[in-house]
Amino acid sequence: ELKVEQNPLFLSMQEGKNYTIYCNYSTTSDRLYWYRQDPGKSLESLFVLLSNGAVKQEGRLMASLDTKARLSTLHITAAVHDLSATYFCAVVGGSQGNLIFGKGTKLSVKP
Amino acid sequence: DTEVTQTPKHLVMGMTNKKSLKCEQHMGHRAMYWYKQKAKKPPELMFVYSYEKLSINESVPSRFSPECPNSSLLNLHLHALQPEDSALYLCASSWDRGTPEAFFGQGTRLTVV
Repeated sequence: ELKVEQNPLFLSMQEGKNYTIYCNYSTTSDRLYWYRQDPGKSLESLFVLLSNGAVKQEGRLMASLDTKARLSTLHITAAVHDLSATYFCAVVGGSQGNLIFGKGTKLSVKP
Repeated sequence: DTEVTQTPKHLVMGMTNKKSLKCEQHMGHRAMYWYKQKAKKPPELMFVYSYEKLSINESVPSRFSPECPNSSLLNLHLHALQPEDSALYLCASSWDRGTPEAFFGQGTRLTVV
């Protein structure tokens, strides 16, 4: 059974500082997704990582994938209040193509 | 058009009501999904349709009945729901099962009273 683990589950950040969220998964997968979810809203796609060593950046967020270690990281540079949300990583679960999600990391940025 | 459109956005229904959720996409995607998300939890898969055929039913109670009338449309029929079924219901689509891009709709916030 595929398991996806995120840590930390809660992250209180100070503006201007750097932080990292980790996403581990239990079986082989060559693609990993990061989503953002604001309270009461749907999922917003941030990154799709398709191969070992893939690195993608958008603004203050940078995601990377190490398929050998079964690990993805989401790095936040110089946190700002607008980044406050819950972030999910997800992996395609087997041949049926559905996503298996981590429990989510709730980020809160304080001045 | 890169959108998945869900209606209604909000729904309040009694336990004896029958209602339907609707999901539509015009991206030519052949896989469509229903996920259920409880508060402060990750989304959980309910149903997968691939080429208009039900591919996965993750042991969902029969009070939820999916329907895929055509490749662009996905419905979720609701009947005799329980208060614990209150959740955010998300529809998603992708080119095919397991292909990279999974687009999510805005969701339907369902409250069962």
